[in-house]
Amino acid sequence: KQEVTQIPAALSVPEGENLVLNCSFTDSAIYNLQWFRQDPGKGLTSLLLIQSSQREQTSGRLNASLDKSSGRSTLYIAASQPGDSATYLCAVRPGFSGGYNKLIFGAGTRLAVHP
Amino acid sequence: DVKVTQSSRYLVKRTGEKVFLECVQDMDHENMFWYRQDPGLGLRLIYFSYDVKMKEKGDIPEGYSVSREKKERFSLILESASTNQTSMYLCASSLSAGATTLSYEQYFGPGTRLTVT
Repeated sequence: KQEVTQIPAALSVPEGENLVLNCSFTDSAIYNLQWFRQDPGKGLTSLLLIQSSQREQTSGRLNASLDKSSGRSTLYIAASQPGDSATYLCAVRPGFSGGYNKLIFGAGTRLAVHP
Repeated sequence: DVKVTQSSRYLVKRTGEKVFLECVQDMDHENMFWYRQDPGLGLRLIYFSYDVKMKEKGDIPEGYSVSREKKERFSLILESASTNQTSMYLCASSLSAGATTLSYEQYFGPGTRLTVT
């Protein structure tokens, strides 16, 4: 059974730091991996989606990498800002798709960026 | 832009009540999903639907049912609400994906925070 783990559960950093959020998954047979952002009490906003054949995706100050064979993904945030404060969720889409496009989520990393 | 809307942001119901949570998407997506989110547990899939009147159980379907009479609308039903169903409920939609095609992103609604007292 696929399990997704995110470490750390919470992170507090000063503004301007570069930081890395980690996501690991137990079954390397995935179609893709998606990173989301969630603001308190709100829904999820998709940040980046990496297909299983890709190594990384970039959007602005965000860069996500995927190492499928080792079951790991990282989300790199450059020059962090207070507006980056949110919970970041990682989700994988199983490769066998009895799946119908289902996602399996990690519990998230809660990020606080201080001015 | 894809838009997924949920009928209520906050809902307070009493134990034993029948509760309906509504979700509507405007992008003609085939797939729709209901998740619940609890602290420390992340999002867990309750039910999903891949076509009108078609549904599949997710990981935690007990105590819930769903209805999809129209493509754009997916309803989650709590037949007899209980306090352990107090949670944040999130709806999502996506295009369909077959085994030989790329999977598409899921788009989420703003969530409904349900409190059962």
